Amino acid sequence: GAGVSQTPSNKVTEKGKYVELRCDPISGHTALYWYRQSLGQGPEFLIYFQGTGAADDSGLPNDRFFAVRPEGSVSTLKIQRTERGDSAVYLCASRRGSGDTQYFGPGTRLTVL
Amino acid sequence: AQSVTQLDSQVPVFEEAPVELRCNYSSSVSVYLFWYVQYPNQGLQLLLKYLSGSTLVKGINGFEAEFNKSQTSFHLRKPSVHISDTAEYFCAVSEGNRDDKIIFGKGTRLHILP
Repeated sequence: GAGVSQTPSNKVTEKGKYVELRCDPISGHTALYWYRQSLGQGPEFLIYFQGTGAADDSGLPNDRFFAVRPEGSVSTLKIQRTERGDSAVYLCASRRGSGDTQYFGPGTRLTVL
Repeated sequence: AQSVTQLDSQVPVFEEAPVELRCNYSSSVSVYLFWYVQYPNQGLQLLLKYLSGSTLVKGINGFEAEFNKSQTSFHLRKPSVHISDTAEYFCAVSEGNRDDKIIFGKGTRLHILP
């Protein structure tokens, strides 16, 4: 079956611009996660949705970052006033239920010039 | 809060030789432990996970890991590596009974030498 998909695969933007990154989880998966992977580092947790609500947003670095999941399926990660330090691969993962494996998408590579 | 330390950033090993990738974790509560693999230009894939029960966990592609609570370790092993095992390997932990966010280590790059 189809895995987690993320669009776009690559995004190049200029400092100060607004970007949106999209994640389509595996059908039927209720939990959705966003992570950020900087060069040479492991993925870093950003936010976790259970259904439509954000169950844990403790990893969002500041108020320029925001994520939504209005219908409990697709999620959008929004970054305002992008900075060069935001450049990274943004990973999305989804999980069916408690105890199940998190399945990761291929990521969106964001480059802020 | 949990944390993960992968002691080696890179590990070179000859093809068909055994390998061990080291991982130590820190947590004040019970944990779930994971190893993920990231092949070049691909997404993260779960190799194996420890939730409870037997401390020796077998995963895909011939890998296994052993949970050692007293040493707070979860080292990954394979008795004979292949060139196709070239990848980045990430050890990770989540709080037991609360499998929400996963905390990842910085990764170990496995180089297979011909």
